[in-house]
Amino acid sequence: SAVISQKPSRDICQRGTSLTIQCQVDSQVTMMFWYRQQPGQSLTLIATANQGSEATYESGFVIDKFPISRPNLTFSTLTVSNMSPEDSSIYLCSSLKSGYEQFFGPGTRLTVL
Amino acid sequence: GESVGLHLPTLSVQEGDNSIINCAYSNSASDYFIWYKQESGKGPQFIIDIRSNMDKRQGQRVTVLLNKTVKHLSLQIAATQPGDSAVYFCAERAGNTPLVFGKGTRLSVIA
Repeated sequence: SAVISQKPSRDICQRGTSLTIQCQVDSQVTMMFWYRQQPGQSLTLIATANQGSEATYESGFVIDKFPISRPNLTFSTLTVSNMSPEDSSIYLCSSLKSGYEQFFGPGTRLTVL
Repeated sequence: GESVGLHLPTLSVQEGDNSIINCAYSNSASDYFIWYKQESGKGPQFIIDIRSNMDKRQGQRVTVLLNKTVKHLSLQIAATQPGDSAVYFCAERAGNTPLVFGKGTRLSVIA
């Protein structure tokens, strides 16, 4: 299994500002993903973070709003840009090391005022 | 408190009874399935997985059943305990595509 940590664990931000969330995995992994979980909802994939290249975004998510970096095989960041209250959500980092098992970090709970 | 799962369907089970949580999936090309448990304030925790070449897999107190004919997945928890109270999600994957999550079910264990 992979142990995943995220920083910050929670934050309260003002409308129009940006927040960068960090994800650290304790070992090298093949793939890293970012998900969003809105209140009372399931998880929705934002993008796949590709090491050394641009992230692959899902329908409804764009790079200008959610820029992602993955400089190496154990670390990734997600920025939520120009935030609005609709961005209030839990943001989850996930990794796939080998085989099929996919693990999740504890999440970052974002509230936008 | 944590807002995850507030609007999800709820299954209430007496402590010691068996729980069955169901999930319907839509992609007939999905070949891998996972059940996750999410407790309040935490990320999803891997419980058990199954590949499409199987129809049943057992773990410790948990069993996953897969019916590809009707695209149905279930999670059975034996002798349900208060610590099993959480939101449970099924997730599916087709080949190398990312996991797609189901809507989730809140399991509430009555002591």
